[in-house]
Order: sequence, then structure tokens, then C-alpha cells
Amino acid sequence: GAGVSQSPSNKVTEKGKDVELRCDPISGHTALYWYRQSLGQGLEFLIYFQGNSAPDKSGLPSDRFSAERTGGSVSTLTIQRTQQEDSAVYLCASSLAGHTEAFFGQGTRLTVV
Amino acid sequence: DAKTTQPTSMDCAEGRAANLPCNHSTISGNEYVYWYRQIHSQGPQYIIHGLKNNETNEMASLIITEDRKSSTLILPHATLRDTAVYYCIVRVMGRGNTGKLIFGQGTTLQVKP
Repeated sequence: GAGVSQSPSNKVTEKGKDVELRCDPISGHTALYWYRQSLGQGLEFLIYFQGNSAPDKSGLPSDRFSAERTGGSVSTLTIQRTQQEDSAVYLCASSLAGHTEAFFGQGTRLTVV
Repeated sequence: DAKTTQPTSMDCAEGRAANLPCNHSTISGNEYVYWYRQIHSQGPQYIIHGLKNNETNEMASLIITEDRKSSTLILPHATLRDTAVYYCIVRVMGRGNTGKLIFGQGTTLQVKP
């Protein structure tokens, strides 16, 4: 596709349920990022995939959060046993390895009720 | 990655130049200065980056001090559509060794008619 695509655009889930958020990066981009943005707040780094290297998971807030990237392309962010404080917009970005510009998707707005 | 310090908010009159400062006093020799912006309800957008020389593109100019401890993003003729949160980021960037993008709180620029 022409840009980074995220799905779903909106997700409402009940507290305690698991959710999966999907990111389709720009074709050929080897670097992929996940961020979280709570209402009125800045972007919180979650995880960073860079080619075949081990991902940088230093931003994941708890062990309920995990992410994988299959075949170096599509990535899935999984949140287990969701809590109300997980409500936020989850943003994905991709870039060429060593390239300057990261392109962001429009995000998935997650609401935990 | 080095931390950055930006003013929380700034105003600018439409048509005038907007000068957004950023302090990065602990920047390392292999760290670049990046600027992104986030318009309300959208994903962040890359603006410009530089290492030590001043840079200009169709969106903005970046002025980096000789000691590299601070920089200024200049929007030469601000329009109402430039109202956004502007993020200054320092990041290692190079072939096979690209650091993650860490966003701070940014500067909220309000362009007024």
C-alpha cells in the first residue's frame, strides 16, 4: 500500500479481554515502531523492530503487552487482560533501515470499558 | 538517546516566522537532531533532520548551534494549518545502527490569525 495501514481504526473491548492490533508497514521498510498515546499526552515508545535484530522491547509497560513481526512485514501488538488504563491511541510507524524518515499510520483507538 | 527540552507552548501570528527552540545539551557526536509534528488527531509527520550543518527543505529550516547543544526549527511563513505539536528528537542514525525514536512532550504551536 501507499502508506502504513493499521487495523482496526477503532476498538472497544471489555476489561479483561485480549486484543490484537495490526500494522501493515510500507513495503520494503525494515524498521517498525509501536507507540501509545493517551488522551492529551505525548507518544510513549513501546517496541522497535529493526530488520533481523532482536526487537527493542524496553518500552512495553507490562508483561500483558507483546508484539511480533512475521516475515519482516506485518506486525501485531497484543494486549492481554486489558485494563481501563490501556485505553489510548496505538500508533505504528515504519522506515527504511538507516533512513531518516519514519512514516506513521493513523492509529488504532482502543477503548477499554 | 539524549534528552531534549522544549517550551511547552508558543504562539505565532499567521504569516510570520515561527521559531521553535530545542535544547539537547547531552547530544553525542553520532546523534542527529530530528523534528516531527503532530496535527490534532493525526499521526506524527517528519519535518527535517540534521547533524551539524543548517538544513532547509520545503517545509522548514533547521539551525543547529556550533556546539550542537541546541537547535531552532524555523517555519518561515506560518499558516493556520501549521498549528500542531512539534517534537524535537535526538537519535543515533546510521547504516545498521539506527536508534529508536523517542518523543518528548513537544511544543504546542498555536498559529493565530
